[in-house]
Amino acid sequence: QQPVQSPQAVILREGEDAVINCSSSKALYSVHWYRQKHGEAPVFLMILLKGGEQKGHEKISASFNEKKQQSSLYLTASQLSYSGTYFCGTAMEYGNKLVFGAGTILRVKS
Amino acid sequence: NAGVTQTPKFQVLKTGQSMTLQCAQDMNHNSMYWYRQDPGMGLRLIYYSASEGTTDKGEVPNGYNVSRLNKREFSLRLESAAPSQTSVYFCASSDSPGARNEQFFGPGTRLTVL
Repeated sequence: QQPVQSPQAVILREGEDAVINCSSSKALYSVHWYRQKHGEAPVFLMILLKGGEQKGHEKISASFNEKKQQSSLYLTASQLSYSGTYFCGTAMEYGNKLVFGAGTILRVKS
Repeated sequence: NAGVTQTPKFQVLKTGQSMTLQCAQDMNHNSMYWYRQDPGMGLRLIYYSASEGTTDKGEVPNGYNVSRLNKREFSLRLESAAPSQTSVYFCASSDSPGARNEQFFGPGTRLTVL
């Protein structure tokens, strides 16, 4: 039950905004967002939990629609440092397993 | 505070050889994970350990074994490597349960099986 991410890739100019989506066919307990730069390990951005709780970096904005099993990551006023591959990971229950999507490649140009 | 460390960073094996990937964390986390990452497929969970002494299969466990040696260390073993196991392997750790907590990833091991 791999979540589906869209778009697969996006190119922005500095200062532009982007939205990355993550959807599941199953009811979700939580959605996690990570960013990975080329040749590096994934780095945590945010967790959105069933019931509305969120954990993460203050500068990151995301939403979680529990009824639709969808989450969106909002990247505003993009900077060059935002470039990388963004992954969502979903958990269907209170436990330890996450299933990650295939990723969205974001490139920010000057 | 090193976080999550993995050894080796790179490895080339011949088909049929065996090897063990080592992972250690110094954050006192209960949960540890092994993922593989292949181009265009994201991160796929191989095995995880919710606490010392327990291990469970993930999405792609075939061809792998794991050992949770103690709270700090979680190793991944390939008994008879196959070219399909060529991948980048990441170890991660988190507070329990993983569904509610940030995962911290190690730098990865790049494995090539010829």
